[in-house]
Amino acid sequence: TQLLEQSPQFLSIQEGENLTVYCNSSSVFSSLQWYRQEPGEGPVLLVTVVTGGEVKKLKRLTFQFGDARKDSSLHITAAQPGDTGLYLCARSREENSGYALNFGKGTSLLVTP
Amino acid sequence: NAGVTQTPKFQVLKTGQSMTLQCAQDMNHNSMYWYRQDPGMGLRLIYYSASEGTTDKGEVPNGYNVSRLNKREFSLRLESAAPSQTSVYFCASSRRLAGGSTDTQYFGPGTRLTVL
Repeated sequence: TQLLEQSPQFLSIQEGENLTVYCNSSSVFSSLQWYRQEPGEGPVLLVTVVTGGEVKKLKRLTFQFGDARKDSSLHITAAQPGDTGLYLCARSREENSGYALNFGKGTSLLVTP
Repeated sequence: NAGVTQTPKFQVLKTGQSMTLQCAQDMNHNSMYWYRQDPGMGLRLIYYSASEGTTDKGEVPNGYNVSRLNKREFSLRLESAAPSQTSVYFCASSRRLAGGSTDTQYFGPGTRLTVL
């Protein structure tokens, strides 16, 4: 099993603050995905990063893939209550299989007004 | 387009009872998956089906069986439920892109199962 370590496990901030969450692995991976899960629902894909050093932006969310492709970060600028949820990173269980995923344990984010 | 649907949404079982969780997708996806989610554990893969007619074990398959009934439907069966199987179960599907690149998984709303 290719482990993904996410930190922090929990984060509680006030509206308007910035935050960064991390996803790390001891092994190199070809691509990494970030999902967000809102309470009572299934996860929804936010982004896939493929190239080492890649940066992708989705409105106030910035995703970065480490140069060595062993780590990734998600930065949220000016967090809003709608950002509340569980943020999960995921990678393919087997390189070049493309389908089944291993997930990290997630970062649970609470943004209060 | 309903996406991925799961039934039931909630279920309470007694230890030793059996049940089948149903999952269907209407996106013509090739691959389907069953995950369980426990507090602080993220999602763990139980079984998956890369294509119609094939199934494979995931990370935590013990105590479960699956059936890929057709391209649309993938069911998960608990033959003799145990309290350790209390969890939220998610079904997902994906198109399965050629070349092995990671594709998007689409999740259902989940089944919340309690085993007493």
